[in-house]
Amino acid sequence: AQKITQTQPGMFVQEKEAVTLDCTYDTSDPSYGLFWYKQPSSGEMIFLIYQGSYDQQNATEGRYSLNFQKARKSANLVISASQLGDSAMYFCAMRERHNQGGKLIFGQGTELSVKP
Amino acid sequence: EAGVVQSPRYKIIEKKQPVAFWCNPISGHNTLYWYLQNLGQGPELLIRYENEEAVDDSQLPKDRFSAERLKGVDSTLKIQPAELGDSAVYLCASSPRQGGYNEQFFGPGTRLTVL
Repeated sequence: AQKITQTQPGMFVQEKEAVTLDCTYDTSDPSYGLFWYKQPSSGEMIFLIYQGSYDQQNATEGRYSLNFQKARKSANLVISASQLGDSAMYFCAMRERHNQGGKLIFGQGTELSVKP
Repeated sequence: EAGVVQSPRYKIIEKKQPVAFWCNPISGHNTLYWYLQNLGQGPELLIRYENEEAVDDSQLPKDRFSAERLKGVDSTLKIQPAELGDSAVYLCASSPRQGGYNEQFFGPGTRLTVL
């Protein structure tokens, strides 16, 4: 079974508008962490935001926020005021506590295109 | 502070040839990861090192892949012999410690094309 599911292969958004990228996850581990990474065409994975399973508040980092709905096992990324430079692949990832080494399990990614 | 360095950035070889990738993690990072990223997919872990010890290599195809991290710093990933299906991006990442919340910092990757 897929541990991380990103159902949107591609998304378009108008510059300056907000966009939500979906991510659902599957784990029986009560302790886990959820990450979002951005991968531009240059190839490097850039860390955006982190949410711990016990965190009470939704994580925010500048224009990025994570809509964490634990009961639904979803961790959607919200990008506000989209910029042309936001065009990239976006990956949701999870690390389960039982995996002491911190291995990240990634989804298949969503390609975001920001239109001027 | 310098990020994770990988070389080469691109490599084109013919099948059955050997190939090696090099990674220099961020200074002071004890944990090093090699990930494989196929086209249109998310990265998948190949091997994880804690200092010089390979503590998770369950996903490494050991018949043709090998890795080492001498002295717990730089790491080399080797494929011998390469197959057409090995064409992918090989990403190296490092983090300062295992467990808890530890962000993984990724390098730019090596894009391998096997002809």
